[in-house]
Amino acid sequence: KAGVTQTPRYLIKTRGQQVTLSCSPISGHRSVSWYQQTPGQGLQFLFEYFSETQRNKGNFPGRFSGRQFSNSRSEMNVSTLELGDSALYLCASSLATGNSYEQYFGPGTRLTVT
Amino acid sequence: GENVEQHPSTLSVQEGDSAVIKCTYSDSASNYFPWYKQELGKRPQLIIDIRSNVGEKKDQRIAVTLNKTAKHFSLHITETQPEDSAVYFCAASMYSGNTGKLIFGQGTTLQVKP
Repeated sequence: KAGVTQTPRYLIKTRGQQVTLSCSPISGHRSVSWYQQTPGQGLQFLFEYFSETQRNKGNFPGRFSGRQFSNSRSEMNVSTLELGDSALYLCASSLATGNSYEQYFGPGTRLTVT
Repeated sequence: GENVEQHPSTLSVQEGDSAVIKCTYSDSASNYFPWYKQELGKRPQLIIDIRSNVGEKKDQRIAVTLNKTAKHFSLHITETQPEDSAVYFCAASMYSGNTGKLIFGQGTTLQVKP
């Protein structure tokens, strides 16, 4: 099976702009979680979508939002970008059913805000 | 709140020695504990996980132990090799229902010297 994919891999944006990142989960996986990775804060949970519904949410401002489509693909959006939003954004997919709850990560989108 | 503490932050061992990384979690409801390995510039990769109904799990040179009473879990790598050099993250979650939200430790940079 193909792994988790993310697009784009790299992005450079200016403060105040908005950005949309995309994640395609492993075929058959229904859960997609998003994480922000920075050197200072490590890996922090943003939110999780399961069957097109947000199931969990982390402690990030409302500028961070997401959605999931019927094919389980997910997008996250960051509006009014700030310098501190520069990070690696990782998504992870999971079957999230039966005995299979392992999360598998995509390669990430490296966002730089200038 | 939910928190996972990981120690040490850096660990340097000689090839062939053992390495131990320890984590403590705060949420007593946590019952799923995965470990990820992240090489430079790569995505985090799931290397082993343990659920709260198990005290220890082994996979070749890697083992994880869990002490639910003390809310501690540890990763043990035996016969370390240079290719084990990477950043290792522990995480905690609730198995089933709320599994899409992983709380990560701050990471341990393991260096294996040949």
